[in-house]
Amino acid sequence: GAVVSQHPSRVICKSGTSVKIECRSLDFQATTMFWYRQFPKQSLMLMATSNEGSKATYEQGVEKDKFLINHASLTLSTLTVTSAHPEDSSFYICSATRGGVVETQYFGPGTRLLVL
Amino acid sequence: DQQVKQNSPSLSVQEGRISILNCDYTNSMFDYFLWYKKYPAEGPTFLISISSIKDKNEDGRFTVFLNKSAKHLSLHIVPSQPGDSAVYFCAALDQGAQKLVFGQGTRLTINP
Repeated sequence: GAVVSQHPSRVICKSGTSVKIECRSLDFQATTMFWYRQFPKQSLMLMATSNEGSKATYEQGVEKDKFLINHASLTLSTLTVTSAHPEDSSFYICSATRGGVVETQYFGPGTRLLVL
Repeated sequence: DQQVKQNSPSLSVQEGRISILNCDYTNSMFDYFLWYKKYPAEGPTFLISISSIKDKNEDGRFTVFLNKSAKHLSLHIVPSQPGDSAVYFCAALDQGAQKLVFGQGTRLTINP
């Protein structure tokens, strides 16, 4: 149990377009989901925490208007990178928790975004 | 400001020997630590954790040691197996901010 999926796994887009990444908990209800970004050979940096039915909480330095997060149901959270630029190219990983237990996170496989 | 650091980007160990992965942290308020294992094109999976009230936690071939005074923890894998080849992340629980803080990861390669 506790499987988290992400779609797409890889996406290439043109500069200026928007890209939506989906994160789904397949076999449990996730009250809280997290979005991370990982640059090559660097740690997973938390971008935002999203709770079902409420606005996401963004980490300092993360532009909320650029990285739109929607957690509309207990099994789905989406991250939309708006007006993407080459510097947004990165590996984006989501995680989900049952009951908001932060130390028990189940991670998705990640989405590789390349902005040309 | 990197609060959790894994200073070795890579480590190569012979099969059957012990692998020791290290992690240092700067925030003395951290009191719960986790190790994750990550294969390419997959998300991190939980491996083992330790609370600050303990200095050792063991699960099969995996043992985590915590030295609070040195703000250092280590993951020991013995004996190492080829399937252990992966990237290992150390993470600390920031209770106040309700988030995990990750190190940069160490790529472990087990040679046959």
